[in-house]
This record gives sequence, structure tokens and C-alpha cells, in this order.
Amino acid sequence: DAGVTQSPTHLIKTRGQQVTLRCSPKSGHDTVSWYQQALGQGPQFIFQYYEEEERQRGNFPDRFSGHQFPNYSSELNVNALLLGDSALYLCASSIDRDRVIMANEKLFFGSGTQLSVL
Amino acid sequence: GQSLEQPSEVTAVEGAIVQINCTYQTSGFYGLSWYQQHDGGAPTFLSYNGLDGLEETGRFSSFLSRSDSYGYLLLQELQMKDSASYFCAVNTGGFKTIFGAGTRLFVKA
Repeated sequence: DAGVTQSPTHLIKTRGQQVTLRCSPKSGHDTVSWYQQALGQGPQFIFQYYEEEERQRGNFPDRFSGHQFPNYSSELNVNALLLGDSALYLCASSIDRDRVIMANEKLFFGSGTQLSVL
Repeated sequence: GQSLEQPSEVTAVEGAIVQINCTYQTSGFYGLSWYQQHDGGAPTFLSYNGLDGLEETGRFSSFLSRSDSYGYLLLQELQMKDSASYFCAVNTGGFKTIFGAGTRLFVKA
């Protein structure tokens, strides 16, 4: 049973460019959340997707956008990259058993995409 | 604002017991989770407390007191492989989980 897979594992971009990161959730999971983790910090919530819609967003600008496909996989897009966007981007999947309480009880994380913006 | 406070670093010796505390201040609360992350790895789920009290999973236990907005992770019989970062995380309701900045645990021989 494959866990959460993310691609690519590493990426180097320059300021102003755009990037797309991809995530396939754990088999049987229908909910995907994206997190940004700076070095030495905890993951910061970007947004969550369920039924192909963004249903909650953290404190991130509109340059960060996403998409969820019918097979539950997801993409994170970041436009107009800034140096400060350099971080580890983590995808987490879960099961939406209860839309309010259980969706975030247990998150399964991928190994992340390490993005470096030069 | 919303915040989770946990110590930045803890050092302990192999075979010992260590406790990592977490206090939180959030606009909503449905439960407290703990995750382990080794350098270069993915965070992995350790435990979840939705109600007050102690949850035990092998060498790891987690405690929650909702009235005190406080929880802790207890690691027993420490092993070298337990050296990692540990994050407490709060399910704020809705669909958002907030993470603390993490506690780096160093286990010495």
C-alpha cells in the first residue's frame, strides 16, 4: 500500500518564476492538505482540498493556489516566486469521516518537496 | 492569535524517560496530536488526544488537560533512534491543524 507520494523531491527556481508541486494521497484517502515548513520550524498550513474544492486556507497570499483531481491527487502552484518561499513543502492526506472533527485527527505526510528560490 | 508553545530542545540519555510539554492557545480546539520528524524525513503521526487523560502506545504516551490547555508527550526507554524533532499539533475544528515549532530531542549514549 503506497503512502503519500510527492514530486519532485527537490527543485531550484529563480525569483519571479512559477512552480507546480504534485501529491498523490495514501490509498483510500480523499482529503489533501498542503503545508510549508521552513528550516527549524513547524509545518504551516497553506490550504486543504476535498471533493476538488479548497475548503480552508491559511495565511498565505493568492500567489499560492491549488487543485485537486477526481482521483484525489493534488497540485500546489506558486506564482511570482520570492526568496522567502524557499522551504520544504509537505502534502498530508487524511480521510474525511466526519467533516468537522475527524478530518484532521491523523495526517499522513509525504516526504516533501524541497524548494530553493535563488 | 493562535499559538502552541513547546521547548525548543531536550537532551536525555539512552534508557531514560523524557517528557515534552505543549501549551496551546487557539480559537478552537478538537484535539491534540503529536508527530515525529527525523532530519530529512516526513512527519509521522504518533498519537492523538481528543479527551482529557492519558493515551498509551507502546513506549510513547500522551496526555491532555483541556482545562489547562496543556498536553505532553512521554517517551520511555529512550533509544538512539528516538533522536528527532517532535511537534504538537492542534485540530482547531474546521479543517485546519496548527503545529508548534517543534522540540528537538537529542538522545545520548
